[in-house]
Amino acid sequence: DQQVKQNSPSLSVQEGRISILNCDYTNSMFDYFLWYKKYPAEGPTFLISISSIKDKNEDGRFTVFLNKSAKHLSLHIVPSQPGDSAVYFCAASDQGGSEKLVFGKGTKLTVNP
Amino acid sequence: DSGVTQTPKHLITATGQRVTLRCSPRSGDLSVYWYQQSLDQGLQFLIQYYNGEERAKGNILERFSAQQFPDLHSELNLSSLELGDSALYFCASSPRGSPESYEQYFGPGTRLTVT
Repeated sequence: DQQVKQNSPSLSVQEGRISILNCDYTNSMFDYFLWYKKYPAEGPTFLISISSIKDKNEDGRFTVFLNKSAKHLSLHIVPSQPGDSAVYFCAASDQGGSEKLVFGKGTKLTVNP
Repeated sequence: DSGVTQTPKHLITATGQRVTLRCSPRSGDLSVYWYQQSLDQGLQFLIQYYNGEERAKGNILERFSAQQFPDLHSELNLSSLELGDSALYFCASSPRGSPESYEQYFGPGTRLTVT
């Protein structure tokens, strides 16, 4: 059973516009959420995280929104740049239990010049 | 550069063989995690060590084992290899000391090909 789902395998946006990547989770014990970016032949790179006690966290062009009642989070990238083209993984953890990260299968973002 | 190093970068071996993957965490990080990424799967958690002790286990096969040494580097041992073990194996580390330290930082991975 997939506890973290990224339902869009791919997303294409124009440079300068907003990219919105979505993630849904099913385990109500998850209390910490993270987004990672991955380029081919590299390991995932940590982007931004959010604790379940918050509903928004911002870091430069990246903002993560958390809707606990809907068990949904999203990553907004504004403005999108061609260098943002990568696979984005959503991950969740239950910090009160195991510290392991449970990952979605990723969304491939392509930002067109 | 995350500060996490993994060796080797690529490994090609035959079925039935045994291999060892090595990971050095970021300086000061006490926790090491191992993940497997197969072609049709996302990243799957295998096992976690914290300061030399096993802390959590995921869907790790009995043919696989890991350890963390006093200098905090970790090794993942894969034995009786099967074709289906071909995957990317990632190591990650985290400081684990404060609520703000839950991020895990990943190494570049080891690509294992079993032929």
